[in-house]
Amino acid sequence: TQLLEQSPQFLSIQEGENLTVYCNSSSVFSSLQWYRQEPGEGPVLLVTVVTGGEVKKLKRLTFQFGDARKDSSLHITAAQPGDTGLYLCAGALSDSNYQLIWGAGTKLIIKP
Amino acid sequence: DTGVSQNPRHKITKRGQNVTFRCDPISEHNRLYWYRQTLGQGPEFLTYFQNEAQLEKSRLLSDRFSAERPKGSFSTLEIQRTEQGDSAMYLCASSSIRGAKNIQYFGAGTRLSVL
Repeated sequence: TQLLEQSPQFLSIQEGENLTVYCNSSSVFSSLQWYRQEPGEGPVLLVTVVTGGEVKKLKRLTFQFGDARKDSSLHITAAQPGDTGLYLCAGALSDSNYQLIWGAGTKLIIKP
Repeated sequence: DTGVSQNPRHKITKRGQNVTFRCDPISEHNRLYWYRQTLGQGPEFLTYFQNEAQLEKSRLLSDRFSAERPKGSFSTLEIQRTEQGDSAMYLCASSSIRGAKNIQYFGAGTRLSVL
């Protein structure tokens, strides 16, 4: 059974603080996607990482794919209340396989 | 905008009734997925279509659930004899078999409440 362990499950911090969310697996992924989901809406794709060691930046969000392509992290700098939401990671085992392996999500609350 | 469209957005029904949800994928996408999501959890895979063929069904998809994609475009998910445990957000996603990396794009979901 392929698992993607996401941590922490829940994080509540003050505006301006930094945070990191982790996704770890024993499986090797051909790519890994990060999504953000707000209450009552579907997940919105933030980024896809495909190369081991890759780092992608999206404003204050930094995404990293592990060298072995088994893990990934999302770092938010100077978090803002607008960053509040459920963050999900999902890994693809191969380019042709339809299936994504999903993390359980990190519920992030940024307090003003 | 030609994103993934789902309707209705919300459905309230009484236990035992049948419900049907519709998903219109991104027009050039030939892969379509249905997921179920409960509050604060990640999506749980239900079923997957490539064009009109239903290629995979999860064990979560009991006999009361059926999905179709008759012409390889929109899809419907029907739940018969609904139970309170069916209350959840039902998400549809689509992706292209060409291009990058099985990137799935989601609709806004249909929230089902079974009373």
